[in-house]
Amino acid sequence: GNSVTQMEGPVTLSEEAFLTINCTYTATGYPSLFWYVQYPGEGLQLLLKATKADDKGSNKGFEATYRKETTSFHLEKGSVQVSDSAVYFCALSHSGGSNYKLTFGKGTLLTVNP
Amino acid sequence: EAQVTQNPRYLITVTGKKLTVTCSQNMNHEYMSWYRQDPGLGLRQIYYSMNVEVTDKGDVPEGYKVSRKEKRNFPLILESPSPNQTSLYFCASSLSVGKLYEQYFGPGTRLTVT
Repeated sequence: GNSVTQMEGPVTLSEEAFLTINCTYTATGYPSLFWYVQYPGEGLQLLLKATKADDKGSNKGFEATYRKETTSFHLEKGSVQVSDSAVYFCALSHSGGSNYKLTFGKGTLLTVNP
Repeated sequence: EAQVTQNPRYLITVTGKKLTVTCSQNMNHEYMSWYRQDPGLGLRQIYYSMNVEVTDKGDVPEGYKVSRKEKRNFPLILESPSPNQTSLYFCASSLSVGKLYEQYFGPGTRLTVT
């Protein structure tokens, strides 16, 4: 079945540091890939998405590129801020047959210190 | 304001006492879903609904029931809660299965079963 593996946290960085959170996936066919962010005490919000190979999703300074050859979708940001402290989830969607859902990774807690 | 609401936000109950967590969305979305979030396990789908009167099991449906009598509401029912259902629950909705990635999440319901 489909699965998403992302790097274990927690990740602790200083403000303005470079961020990478690794994400790899296993899926049949051509899934769409996403990063969701969960701020403390809140539900998840879509951060960025890519729907086909070589697409780059970007939002709020975050980027991720859909790499089919390495089945990866790593999240990057050049300069993190304290306000980026949150849990980040990599996810894929694959609809078809009788199964319509998002499959999430386990989440990576990011803490950015001033 | 477009939103998904859940009630209650916090609930402490005892084993075997039936409870319902309500979920409502005001965006006329067809697709709704329930997830549970547990430390180290990420989000796992419990049930989903593609439209009124159409529901199906997700990855961890045991011990839960749902219904979709109206488009806006998708309650989660625990007929006989047990301590292993202590978790953080999220309801989510999206316009349709084709827009599955653009899921809007509720704020979460933290359930404790003693």
